[in-house]
Amino acid sequence: GESVGLHLPTLSVQEGDNSIINCAYSNSASDYFIWYKQESGKGPQFIIDIRSNMDKRQGQRVTVLLNKTVKHLSLQIAATQPGDSAVYFCAESQAGTALIFGKGTTLSVSS
Amino acid sequence: KAGVTQTPRYLIKTRGQQVTLSCSPISGHRSVSWYQQTPGQGLQFLFEYFSETQRNKGNFPGRFSGRQFSNSRSEMNVSTLELGDSALYLCASRPGTGGETQYFGPGTRLLVL
Repeated sequence: GESVGLHLPTLSVQEGDNSIINCAYSNSASDYFIWYKQESGKGPQFIIDIRSNMDKRQGQRVTVLLNKTVKHLSLQIAATQPGDSAVYFCAESQAGTALIFGKGTTLSVSS
Repeated sequence: KAGVTQTPRYLIKTRGQQVTLSCSPISGHRSVSWYQQTPGQGLQFLFEYFSETQRNKGNFPGRFSGRQFSNSRSEMNVSTLELGDSALYLCASRPGTGGETQYFGPGTRLLVL
């Protein structure tokens, strides 16, 4: 089946840097995309989402970019903090159906 | 508003046994989805319930089943447990089925010995 994948399994950054986590998706019919953060021992926590009729959406310190031409999704975290250390998952869905998750990127922030 | 709650948080079972996990969605949410998370396969969709009806089902064997009650609480059952069923089982809720954000609970960690 089709699935969402991430380009890098791990990303290490310094505190205060900007982080960019990338994700490629394969289903051109997907119309909803979402990023989750999962800390050890916890369930995935919603960060930000975007629909296919948009190409950019901003939240608090986070921005999601959607490039439908190349089927690419990215999460940008500004001024990364140690508390941002976690595994980040992107997911897609089509017409409100089940979320299809990528494998995840582990973000490590050193101070 | 209270978040999604799951019970129990941890379970140890032996092969061949069965297990029932419970999920209480966020108040007002009528859709509940279940996911299995393992290091090898990542997060995989099991099934979704809305208004006590199974709406979608993932690619899992019939040993995995679920149900939803009139108060939107949901349970999933795994019969004849196998070692490979060891995983974190996550429940997520959303208001309806129109592509709204799904919010996850903390999960139930199942270990099958």
